[in-house]
Amino acid sequence: QKEVEQDPGPLSVPEGAIVSLNCTYSNSAFQYFMWYRQYSRKGPELLMYTYSSGNKEDGRFTAQVDKSSKYISLFIRDSQPSDSATYLCAMRSSGSARQLTFGSGTQLTVLP
Amino acid sequence: NAGVTQTPKFQVLKTGQSMTLQCAQDMNHNSMYWYRQDPGMGLRLIYYSASEGTTDKGEVPNGYNVSRLNKREFSLRLESAAPSQTSVYFCASSTDGSQRETQYFGPGTRLLVL
Repeated sequence: QKEVEQDPGPLSVPEGAIVSLNCTYSNSAFQYFMWYRQYSRKGPELLMYTYSSGNKEDGRFTAQVDKSSKYISLFIRDSQPSDSATYLCAMRSSGSARQLTFGSGTQLTVLP
Repeated sequence: NAGVTQTPKFQVLKTGQSMTLQCAQDMNHNSMYWYRQDPGMGLRLIYYSASEGTTDKGEVPNGYNVSRLNKREFSLRLESAAPSQTSVYFCASSTDGSQRETQYFGPGTRLLVL
């Protein structure tokens, strides 16, 4: 079983929809959670960074962490065609600052 | 400010050939990383370097060697390429390994081993 599970999709939504992307994990030591966005044939770029449980909002994006359920989510409001990309969750424990564990990524397409 | 750059962008090798993937960063970062990305597997760490002169194995180091040439450059070498090493390789860098560090990725090198 992988440490981090992520539904690969593909996920296709109409413009303006609310998108929910999710990851589950098994390692209870994970405390730092990230979402990366990766456009086709590009490198991943950091989108959101959260520590421990709770919500964090940045514009149209909200990251949510539920450590009790070992479940993290990324919500995209008013989705745009420019949001079409693969979204990767990543996480690490406090004792391994350099060792990120990634999900396999969810491919999202927002249709105009 | 170019960030993280990688060369080449694309390479085709025959089984048994060797090659070196180059990576450079201009952000004065201490730590650098090499990942591979395969369909359905996400990004997996091959090697990392916490500072100039140090390197450590990641999750999938077999078949690879690395060199941290100086603070800016971190190369990945395949001594005898195998078809299983067909992948997209990403280099990344980050500041100092602190808890809130952010890893910045290069554009990737697509490698096909025949």
